[in-house]
Amino acid sequence: DGGITQSPKYLFRKEGQNVTLSCEQNLNHDAMYWYRQDPGQGLRLIYYSQIVNDFQKGDIAEGYSVSREKKESFPLTVTSAQKNPTAFYLCASSNPGQSSYEQYFGPGTRLTVT
Amino acid sequence: DAKTTQPPSMDCAEGRAANLPCNHSTISGNEYVYWYRQIHSQGPQYIIHGLKNNETNEMASLIITEDRKSSTLILPHATLRDTAVYYCIVKAAGGTSYGKLTFGQGTILTVHP
Repeated sequence: DGGITQSPKYLFRKEGQNVTLSCEQNLNHDAMYWYRQDPGQGLRLIYYSQIVNDFQKGDIAEGYSVSREKKESFPLTVTSAQKNPTAFYLCASSNPGQSSYEQYFGPGTRLTVT
Repeated sequence: DAKTTQPPSMDCAEGRAANLPCNHSTISGNEYVYWYRQIHSQGPQYIIHGLKNNETNEMASLIITEDRKSSTLILPHATLRDTAVYYCIVKAAGGTSYGKLTFGQGTILTVHP
């Protein structure tokens, strides 16, 4: 089955710790994205990558970092600098160009920091 | 990107058509209308998109008015599994805002038995 996997589904961390969220896709898509969703709110873009070894900041990149060493993988690190990290994190992928807005999403990781 | 306006919530009886409206009165000529939905605690799912012609796929139909200032997503035979938040998004293909989807509050559709 082609798709996007995110692990784990639930993640708990203590304040002050960095945590890395996994995102893997086997859709052969060039572009990948990370979004954050807070309760009752829409999604906000954190980072995106159009191609391997390249990525761009989204609207709320502060306190986050990413890497794109392989086409299939786009891990997101939530650093201790992120002031309010508890949220639902969603990874997506797409083909470039006109299809860039037809994004396929993973099941999400719910991060709780206490 | 053009701003969109959707009703916060709608109800629909199972088996009936669900018609979800979206206003985008400031839409530009090169902007597409995209629809996504998000079932509770899952990732959003792409449904359909269109520029000016009506579109239909296996999930839904998209009707765009002739002046393109509004559109309606139609789920022809709603089921309980269609209960979700539906997002209407207007984007120009390509350009500097590559891939940057902006999700508003959307419409919570509740399908009743």
